[in-house]
Amino acid sequence: ETGVTQTPRHLVMGMTNKKSLKCEQHLGHNAMYWYKQSAKKPLELMFVYSLEERVENNSVPSRFSPECPNSSHLFLHLHTLQPEDSALYLCASSQAPRLSGELFFGEGSRLTVL
Amino acid sequence: GNSVTQMEGPVTLSEEAFLTINCTYTATGYPSLFWYVQYPGEGLQLLLKATKADDKGSNKGFEATYRKETTSFHLEKGSVQVSDSAVYFCALSHDSNYQLIWGAGTKLIIKP
Repeated sequence: ETGVTQTPRHLVMGMTNKKSLKCEQHLGHNAMYWYKQSAKKPLELMFVYSLEERVENNSVPSRFSPECPNSSHLFLHLHTLQPEDSALYLCASSQAPRLSGELFFGEGSRLTVL
Repeated sequence: GNSVTQMEGPVTLSEEAFLTINCTYTATGYPSLFWYVQYPGEGLQLLLKATKADDKGSNKGFEATYRKETTSFHLEKGSVQVSDSAVYFCALSHDSNYQLIWGAGTKLIIKP
């Protein structure tokens, strides 16, 4: 496989469930990102892992928990979510730890919270 | 702070029409500017970029010129196709941080 792969593509969960989103990049990049995409809103950066350092948006609720076991894999653990968390979650990677601006995105995981 | 403003969509055009999607920004110093495109059911991909004033980015028939005097980076294409239907995002970055600052996106619909 090439590029950035996200699984699952679609996920429906109740508010009491625990689930995880997975992202894998095959580009040899050293930085990975989680973004939240909601309708009619700018993309929201949730977490960045670069050279094993984590940078996060302080406004992201603690019910979202990232994990980056190595430079090729990124997870987003979800627990006790709210309906307003329903969105498209996009994973991305880049070569530079400091942005050159070229991010490579996966196709996203569409999350619905009931 | 830094921000990006895009024209609201959807923008609906007929095939072979001329396209302009406006993007203006607010930033200190000299940011880099980008256009990303998201086709239906896909993630975003970089369409073009410009890293300094008066630079023109171009790709797939699309162009955008970095205008510092008007703080703009408008996307243009001379003759659009149905396959150009997508959501287009303008963004800027500074060297000092990890973040791209994104516009809200403009949905483009091209009718045959």
